[in-house]
Amino acid sequence: GAVVSQHPSRVICKSGTSVKIECRSLDFQATTMFWYRQFPKQSLMLMATSNEGSKATYEQGVEKDKFLINHASLTLSTLTVTSAHPEDSSFYICSAYVTASTEAFFGQGTRLTVV
Amino acid sequence: KQEVTQIPAALSVPEGENLVLNCSFTDSAIYNLQWFRQDPGKGLTSLLLIQSSQREQTSGRLNASLDKSSGRSTLYIAASQPGDSATYLCAVSPFSGGYNKLIFGAGTRLAVHP
Repeated sequence: GAVVSQHPSRVICKSGTSVKIECRSLDFQATTMFWYRQFPKQSLMLMATSNEGSKATYEQGVEKDKFLINHASLTLSTLTVTSAHPEDSSFYICSAYVTASTEAFFGQGTRLTVV
Repeated sequence: KQEVTQIPAALSVPEGENLVLNCSFTDSAIYNLQWFRQDPGKGLTSLLLIQSSQREQTSGRLNASLDKSSGRSTLYIAASQPGDSATYLCAVSPFSGGYNKLIFGAGTRLAVHP
């Protein structure tokens, strides 16, 4: 299957700082990528849809100014958590689709801890 | 609003047992249903994808069925092994969100002990 690489896998940051998470499609081009968040023992929740060359689409209740998404190329989307707070501590994971396929491929995820 | 429920939330079995994990969804207007495996602190591995027009898919010891009209899917694991221990997630692609927006269940945490 297609490979989606996410980096870093773990990050600890101080409250008030910003953290950037990268999501790359390694062997295919992805015009659209998706960012999910997962709190402990809860389901994955879609945060936003990242569109190459245009603005991201955010789900209801997700602050677009806090979670900045950039999709500058067909193989890279980044999620920046700005002015992070302890309540932003979570597992963030991205996904992408191979064109003409309906199967989702996910990155390895990033465990963010804000102290 | 589409909701996905997985039962049981947790399961602990001895090695060798055949297992059934259940997934139900409230709106049958879906493109497909996908089963994933998630290991602790790790990403998701796609196990099986069932298109809305299909009834089941098989891969090795795994078999997934889909009854779209009743809003149910089951994942059958034959001859379970300790290496099968993980959280199993099901997700649907609803018509309302576009085929590539997934709605996930909370998962079934499976522990297979020797």
